[in-house]
Amino acid sequence: GPKVLQIPSHQIIDMGQMVTLNCDPVSNHLYFYWYKQILGQQMEFLVNFYNGKVMEKSKLFKDQFSVERPDGSYFTLKIQPTALEDSAVYFCASSAGQANTEVFFGKGTRLTVV
Amino acid sequence: GDSVTQTEGLVTLTEGLPVMLNCTYQTIYSNAFLFWYVHYLNESPWLLLRSSTDNKRTEHQGFHATLHKSSSSFHLQKSSAQLSDSALYYCALSGYTGGADRLTFGKGTQLIIQP
Repeated sequence: GPKVLQIPSHQIIDMGQMVTLNCDPVSNHLYFYWYKQILGQQMEFLVNFYNGKVMEKSKLFKDQFSVERPDGSYFTLKIQPTALEDSAVYFCASSAGQANTEVFFGKGTRLTVV
Repeated sequence: GDSVTQTEGLVTLTEGLPVMLNCTYQTIYSNAFLFWYVHYLNESPWLLLRSSTDNKRTEHQGFHATLHKSSSSFHLQKSSAQLSDSALYYCALSGYTGGADRLTFGKGTQLIIQP
């Protein structure tokens, strides 16, 4: 079936450094999402993105976070600077539409900030 | 805001016994849509079931669930568990468009099926 690819699968980074998480969404999808899952807790919505713009973001989407998808390449989540509490698994997702449309998730990127 | 509650963190069953995983929700939207996602270790979460209209049962791959707005529930059931059903199951809610815009997840129920 359709696949969302996330690169890398694991990333360890020093606190204060910048990190970019990459996502290759399903090819014909138009809507993109990031979710954050801290160990032992539920997946939580961060942001959704359509037509080059952030449509909605949650309170977890701090000022240090940004997303973009330049020229149809990877959909990226950038954190600059990173903090210890950013350690989590970040799931990218995509969908063809919004209303009553299936969301496809990647396997996640485990980010560890040390 | 929206919330989803899955009361069991871990369910352990013997193969062949029935499965029931609980899911209740709270939302301000009258048009809530509920989903069950399955997450196998080191794989992507994928959609197992999506709710239909109130009190209507939906089925897929031997699992079924019925949205009951009166009790704000969408419990997942299967008549006979298989070893391959062992996975993490998430209940999720979409408040208004019923789709992809913003999913609220429960904490998940780890289902372990033993021989």
